[in-house]
Amino acid sequence: EPEVTQTPSHQVTQMGQEVILRCVPISNHLYFYWYRQILGQKVEFLVSFYNNEISEKSEIFDDQFSVERPDGSNFTLKIRSTKLEDSAMYFCASSRFVAGGREQFFGPGTRLTVL
Amino acid sequence: AQRVTQPEKLLSVFKGAPVELKCNYSYSGSPELFWYVQYSRQRLQLLLRHISRESIKGFTADLNKGETSFHLKKPFAQEEDSAMYYCALSFNAGGTSYGKLTFGQGTILTVHP
Repeated sequence: EPEVTQTPSHQVTQMGQEVILRCVPISNHLYFYWYRQILGQKVEFLVSFYNNEISEKSEIFDDQFSVERPDGSNFTLKIRSTKLEDSAMYFCASSRFVAGGREQFFGPGTRLTVL
Repeated sequence: AQRVTQPEKLLSVFKGAPVELKCNYSYSGSPELFWYVQYSRQRLQLLLRHISRESIKGFTADLNKGETSFHLKKPFAQEEDSAMYYCALSFNAGGTSYGKLTFGQGTILTVHP
């Protein structure tokens, strides 16, 4: 059964450095998402992406964040200049549809640690 | 703005006992409600959605619009039900929604033998 994959599983970086988190969504899916979960807190929506553009983003998703689907396969989240508070688990998700009770399929997550 | 509340962070029951995980939401329109589950060392996965009115692994959930609740129930808990359970809300706002999920805090369910 196809699955969403994410790399790396754990990323450690210094404050101020750029990081790119990578995701490979399920191949026939059309809608892509990033969520994050700070330790001990709820899963929070960051951004949705459809038809090669951002369809919705949260207040968290400021100018330091960007997303890209560079080759029709990968879906990346870039943080330009990481802060300590960016330390979290980042989940990628994808879905085939958005109408009527559509299921989002989640990746295993990337744990980002900013030192 | 939409919000999902799961009042219990932890819930412990014995095998064979009934279990109910509470979820309340606030949203002014017509929401779509989901339960996602995360077993130990596994990814988040959909358990059930209100629109399907299905029973999965013995779990059911009914959307109560009057009480704005979507509680998850199972009459006889099993040890393998031990996991983190998240209630989540989405909506379709005139065809402009792209499926964003708003999650509750999650409830850790532990089923003791």
